Order: sequence, then structure tokens, then C-alpha cells
Amino acid sequence: RKEVEQDPGPFNVPEGATVAFNCTYSNSASQSFFWYRQDCRKEPKLLMSVYSSGNEDGRFTAQLNRASQYISLLIRDSKLSDSATYLCVVNPISGTGNQFYFGTGTSLTVIP
Amino acid sequence: DGGITQSPKYLFRKEGQNVTLSCEQNLNHDAMYWYRQDPGQGLRLIYYSQIVNDFQKGDIAEGYSVSREKKESFPLTVTSAQKNPTAFYLCASSIPRQGALYSNQPQHFGDGTRLSIL
Repeated sequence: RKEVEQDPGPFNVPEGATVAFNCTYSNSASQSFFWYRQDCRKEPKLLMSVYSSGNEDGRFTAQLNRASQYISLLIRDSKLSDSATYLCVVNPISGTGNQFYFGTGTSLTVIP
Repeated sequence: DGGITQSPKYLFRKEGQNVTLSCEQNLNHDAMYWYRQDPGQGLRLIYYSQIVNDFQKGDIAEGYSVSREKKESFPLTVTSAQKNPTAFYLCASSIPRQGALYSNQPQHFGDGTRLSIL
């Protein structure tokens, strides 16, 4: 079983739409969670960390559900510039040193 | 400005040749990582290092080698044994977790090296 699984999409949404991505993780002891954004042919860039209580940054909201072992990213009022691949990342607390586990990414295209 | 610098941006390898990709960081991070990304695929871990003079194999270490002689530097050598080296190579660094300390510390990435076969 993969450490982190994401729906690869693609998600094609109109401008102004709300879109949500989910990501499941297998290690129940995992403590650190992140969402990264990767543009075509570029490096991943940190979008936001995911905290236990959930957190919001402008149009972006991240949530953690420990009971079901998933994290989510909600994007409100989608902009054309939000088109990218969104990577879910998990850093388990033990047994793996300081490895980070990446999902394969979810592709988002925002359509005018 | 603090960050991670990878060089070169583009690299071409001849058959039978070893090539070395450079990764330098001035973020004072102890942990450094090398990933490979193939088109349309996720990141796969090649090697990682949590401290100077120590490193561990990742999921796809065969055909690659690394060294960690300095905190700031973590070069990756793609050897001739790696038969399919064409990919996007990404270097990252982070503050390693120490128990409950430094949790939620993300990885920071360089802007990558694209390696192709001539």
C-alpha cells in the first residue's frame, strides 16, 4: 500500500468555482502534513502546512481528519493562476528517519 | 537570500559517462534529499542525508551515488549503471524532526536539473 494516495484528476473547473482535493495516508502515527503546488516543469513550492485544527490562507483551506487518515485542500473562487498540480506530502514521525512521502499529485486546470 | 541552488539547469550525458549534479543550500538545514521526477509522475526518493557524513538510500538508489562532506552541499552522481537517467532531478532540504521539536517543518526545493541522454 502506498504511503500517500491522491486522485490524479484532472480537475477542470471554471473560474470562480470551488474545488476540493483529498489525500489519504497510511501511517496513522504521521504528524506533519503539507500541500505543495507544482507548475509545469518547475519545482514544487510549499502552499501550506496542514494543522490539526485546520487552517486557512486566503482562498485556500486545509483540513486534517486523523480518524479517517486524510487531508484535504479546498480552493474557493478559483483563478486561472491556480492551474497547477497539487501535491500532498506527509512526514511520518517514526521509523522512516526524516523521509517525506509525496502523493503523485492532482492536476487542476481553471478554465476561463 | 537563503535558498537552495542546483546546477546545472540542463545536463546531457553520453553513454557510459558519469555525471554529477550539484546542490548547495545556505538555509543551515541538516537534512538534504534527492528526488527524481519522470514526466507525469510523482517524486521518487533517491538518497537522503540527515547529517554530515551520513546518508541513506531511498526507493530508487541503484545507479546513483552521493556524498555529504559539508552541511551545505549534497552532490548526486548519476553513474553509467543508471540505464534510464533521463528525468527531472530535484534537491530539497529541511530541518530534521527531533521528537516533538521542529514538527511541521516543510522541505524546500531547488529549481531542479533536467538530465537527458545524448
